[in-house]
Amino acid sequence: DIVMTQFPLSLPVAPGEPASISCRSSQSLLQSNGFNFLNWYLQKPGQSPQLLIYLGSNRASGVPDRFSGSGSGTDFTLKISRVEAEDVGVYYCMQARQPLGAFGQGTKVEIK
Amino acid sequence: EVQLVESGGGLVKPGGSLRLSCAASGFSFNDYSMNWVRQAPGKRLECVSYISSDGYTRNYADSVKGRFTISRDTAKSSVFLQMNSLRAEDTAIYYCARDRRGPGHTFDIWGRGTMVTVSS
Repeated sequence: DIVMTQFPLSLPVAPGEPASISCRSSQSLLQSNGFNFLNWYLQKPGQSPQLLIYLGSNRASGVPDRFSGSGSGTDFTLKISRVEAEDVGVYYCMQARQPLGAFGQGTKVEIK
Repeated sequence: EVQLVESGGGLVKPGGSLRLSCAASGFSFNDYSMNWVRQAPGKRLECVSYISSDGYTRNYADSVKGRFTISRDTAKSSVFLQMNSLRAEDTAIYYCARDRRGPGHTFDIWGRGTMVTVSS
C-alpha cells in the first residue's frame, strides 16, 4: 500500500507571508502518461474537504492563483504565496493513482 | 447547482447496521464514479469504498471489507453504503465524494457528511 507522509503537521503563518507544505509518497505517483497522481485538499474548520490541486499542479475551479502545486514522483509541495485568513484549515495530500487512495496526516495551517 | 447530500447516519450499537445514502443533483450521475470517505474524530481522511460509473467495479478498504457494501441507483441518482457488523472504530463522519472524470481518482465534489456513532 502507498503511504503518504506530510510535513510539517502544524504551520503558523502571519497574514501576507508565504507557506509551504511537503508531501512524500512511499511509491512514485508519476505515471507513463506523464501525470503525477497527487491531489491536495483543504478542510476548513467545520466544513467538508474541498479540492485545491489535482494531478500535482492543476488548480481546481475557483481556487485562487496564490495556491500552487509542484513536484514529481515521490516528493510534492503545496505553496501559498501570501496567506490570507480564509486559508486556515487542514491541508491533505492524497495519492490518486488508484481507487481508495491514501491521504497524508494533514497539515494544520493557522494564522499567527 | 452540483450537489451531494448524505443521510442515514446516527447512533447504533456495536454489531448493528446502518444504511447511508447520498443523493446527487446538478450533474449526469451515470457518468461518474463515486466514493465514500470517512473521518474519525481527530484522524486523517480514509477512503472507505469506491464504485465505478457503471457499477461493475467496487472496492473496499481492508478495514471494512466483508462488512460494508456499496451500491448505486441510477433512477434515484444515489449511491448507498450498507454497513453491517459495526464496530466502535467505525465511528466517523462519512462523506460522499464524486470522482472527477479524467485520469486518476480526484474527488472534485464532496457532500457535507453524515455522522455515524457506534456505541453501546
